[in-house]
Amino acid sequence: AQTVTQSQPEMSVQEAETVTLSCTYDTSESNYYLFWYKQPPSRQMILVIRQEAYKQQNATENRFSVNFQKAAKSFSLKISDSQLGDTAMYFCAFMKFSNDMRFGAGTRLTVKP
Amino acid sequence: DAEITQSPRHKITETGRQVTLACHQTWNHNNMFWYRQDLGHGLRLIHYSYGVQDTNKGEVSDGYSVSRSNTEDLPLTLESAASSQTSVYFCASSARRGSSYNEQFFGPGTRLTVL
Repeated sequence: AQTVTQSQPEMSVQEAETVTLSCTYDTSESNYYLFWYKQPPSRQMILVIRQEAYKQQNATENRFSVNFQKAAKSFSLKISDSQLGDTAMYFCAFMKFSNDMRFGAGTRLTVKP
Repeated sequence: DAEITQSPRHKITETGRQVTLACHQTWNHNNMFWYRQDLGHGLRLIHYSYGVQDTNKGEVSDGYSVSRSNTEDLPLTLESAASSQTSVYFCASSARRGSSYNEQFFGPGTRLTVL
């Protein structure tokens, strides 16, 4: 079974600083997808960034970027120029080609003014 | 605009009662999913469907059932509610199986309390 581990239950960062959230996963699959979702206090799940395992280039979406290390099964999220609105729970997720998605336990990020 | 809705948003019920949570999407997506969210566990997959008349068990399916009679709806039924099923439930949908653009779109969630 696939497992996703987020080793940092809580993190904080000063506004405008950079923070990196860690995620590791375990799988025997060669083709899969990785995601980071954000869940603000509203509870809505919002897709932040997506990475296809067959792509070597790290995905980037504005201030959000990932460091995907396939051999190490690592998928960290870097948030640059942190903003107060980035305060949320962040979930790393692994999905097989069949759309079966597994989530990590989450990291609670607080951005301090 | 297309959306995915859940009802009710909050529900309190008693142990042993049957409860049905509704999920409706207007994306015309083939795939629909039910998750539960508990502290320390993230989201865990309960059941999923790849199309009408198709249903599959997920990681934590015991005590839950689903049926898919049309594209838009996937109701989740708790046959006999237990206190361990107190949780926040999310419905999600995605375009098609195996697609490169297989982002799952989530509903707003239903908070269920079983007393």
